[in-house]
Amino acid sequence: AQSVAQPEDQVNVAEGNPLTVKCTYSVSGNPYLFWYVQYPNRGLQFLLKYITGDNLVKGSYGFEAEFNKSQTSFHLKKPSALVSDSALYFCAVRDLGVGQNFVFGPGTRLSVLP
Amino acid sequence: ETGVTQSPTHLIKTRGQQVTLRCSSQSGHNTVSWYQQALGQGPQFIFQYYREEENGRGNFPPRFSGLQFPNYSSELNVNALELDDSALYLCASSLRLAGSADTQYFGPGTRLTVL
Repeated sequence: AQSVAQPEDQVNVAEGNPLTVKCTYSVSGNPYLFWYVQYPNRGLQFLLKYITGDNLVKGSYGFEAEFNKSQTSFHLKKPSALVSDSALYFCAVRDLGVGQNFVFGPGTRLSVLP
Repeated sequence: ETGVTQSPTHLIKTRGQQVTLRCSSQSGHNTVSWYQQALGQGPQFIFQYYREEENGRGNFPPRFSGLQFPNYSSELNVNALELDDSALYLCASSLRLAGSADTQYFGPGTRLTVL
């Protein structure tokens, strides 16, 4: 079965500094990986996905993610954090079984301090 | 905004009651998935509907059921509500194409409280 781990419950970073939110995964075949962001009392917003190709994926709002097959990781990054980036971030892997649905990690709360 | 809408926004029920939650898919999408997100946790897959048929189910009991209509909108029904059913219920729509990992787009959710 597919699984996703987000080893940090909370990440704090100063505004203007680079940020990294970590994600590792376990899949039986080729991984389809996604990042979503959730603001308070809102649904999940799609940020980016990796299907195949270039290991560095660029997404919305200046976010990018680096796929590393040998380390089974898909870390989310941004060169310069904004206070408005403060939210809950979820990594997800696509389950290739029936329904092909998403298996989500537990989430990482990002706080960007002014 | 994703174009996925859900109703109602909030709902309060008592234990043992039944509830119906509704979702309207993004235009052009043919697949709807439902997730339960308990407080402080990631979303958990309930089930998916593709072309009006259930196309996968997570580890949820039969009292969780659903429907998808010809216009691809969907309902989630929960019978015999329990306190642990209190959660944010998320609907996600996508366009299923053969061989692709279609992105799911989420609605804002329905917050269900069971007292």
